[in-house]
Amino acid sequence: EADIYQTPRYLVIGTGKKITLECSQTMGHDKMYWYQQDPGMELHLIHYSYGVNSTEKGDLSSESTVSRIRTEHFPLTLESARPSHTSQYLCASSETRRPNNYGYTFGSGTRLTVV
Amino acid sequence: SQQGEEDPQALSIQEGENATMNCSYKTSINNLQWYRQNSGRGLVHLILIRSNEREKHSGRLRVTLDTSKKSSSLLITASRAADTASYFCATDGEYGNKLVFGAGTILRVKS
Repeated sequence: EADIYQTPRYLVIGTGKKITLECSQTMGHDKMYWYQQDPGMELHLIHYSYGVNSTEKGDLSSESTVSRIRTEHFPLTLESARPSHTSQYLCASSETRRPNNYGYTFGSGTRLTVV
Repeated sequence: SQQGEEDPQALSIQEGENATMNCSYKTSINNLQWYRQNSGRGLVHLILIRSNEREKHSGRLRVTLDTSKKSSSLLITASRAADTASYFCATDGEYGNKLVFGAGTILRVKS
């Protein structure tokens, strides 16, 4: 199985709370990504990073922020959760130094419910 | 809208039959990838085909790519109940940037 870990697996939280979704990978991949996915729907890229101290916003506008202080760690933070943030959040990583034959490695996701 | 569009949206077949899913995209690509997602889980990479390749095989999977039509197909032969999942195509765009995913095909294999 994949060496990329997301915690928590499930989270139910009240409106207005600050939350951080954790993502860590042990493969030494330089690139990391956060996708948002509603049930049965396509994935939308919300943030990505090409290495330490590199972060970029994705194609989908998001009120979340990310940081990349260490290669292996790419947390996503919501300063004030709202019901519209209810979704599944998927973290992924990839490597550019090797031939691009392996695609992305995904974590199992965090299913967030804001009540 | 997203780069990749899968067709059909949902497919239901009997165990042992073949399943074919199609994907269309809009811009030039370096490669196209297929992923599987079991319900409520993350995606698993299945196969990657480069823009200069026309066909690729991996076990029971066969992927074709037609860059002139900007389309790809994924064939799963001799399907099993365990193949029940959503299947997504993803493209990396002309500059090999981040992947963009389609909406997926939901495959149900009945035993």
